[in-house]
Amino acid sequence: EAAVTQSPRNKVAVTGGKVTLSCNQTNNHNNMYWYRQDTGHGLRLIHYSYGAGSTEKGDIPDGYKASRPSQENFSLILELATPSQTSVYFCASGVRTGGDEQYFGPGTRLTVL
Amino acid sequence: GDSVTQMQGQVTLSEDDFLFINCTYSTTWYPTLFWYVQYPGEGPQLLLKVTTANNKGISRGFEATYDKRTTSFHLQKASVQESDSAVYYCVLERAQGLTFGLGTRVSVFP
Repeated sequence: EAAVTQSPRNKVAVTGGKVTLSCNQTNNHNNMYWYRQDTGHGLRLIHYSYGAGSTEKGDIPDGYKASRPSQENFSLILELATPSQTSVYFCASGVRTGGDEQYFGPGTRLTVL
Repeated sequence: GDSVTQMQGQVTLSEDDFLFINCTYSTTWYPTLFWYVQYPGEGPQLLLKVTTANNKGISRGFEATYDKRTTSFHLQKASVQESDSAVYYCVLERAQGLTFGLGTRVSVFP
């Protein structure tokens, strides 16, 4: 039974539109993360959260917002989507930051036209 | 800043070949290091983890050794199978999460 799920799995958006990517985890982990994966860059951290109500900027937060309304849910919001945000987005959860395993979802493929 | 380097973008092998993937890291401290593996259509998953306390990790036939002197963390497997075809990431611990290398795509043919 998948512990980290993402929705939608595929999304096509128009430039300037608003996009919300959702993530749910049943691991009861405090920490959650959003990464994007691009050829030539590996996975890069966008935003992360230490618990409900908390969001922190990662390495590439520009153009993205995050929301953590509960322990289980963590959303990534693109208020004004641009073609440069076309990517595969992964959500992950972990017990604590630093030297601890992270559990990844299956990813969302976003295309911005 | 902290970083990891994987120079091999792609490795092509036959079954029963030896696999060796280079990874070096750059930090001002002694972090926990990981290898994650990603199969097609899935998110990355932990393959093995090595801390400064144990220096070596072994999982599913894969082995990685943490060498502080050379700041290296290479991954190896004695005999690969077709099912080992995947992308392998060298990953570095840091305070706010993980730093991923660029990944090495391993293709194993029967």
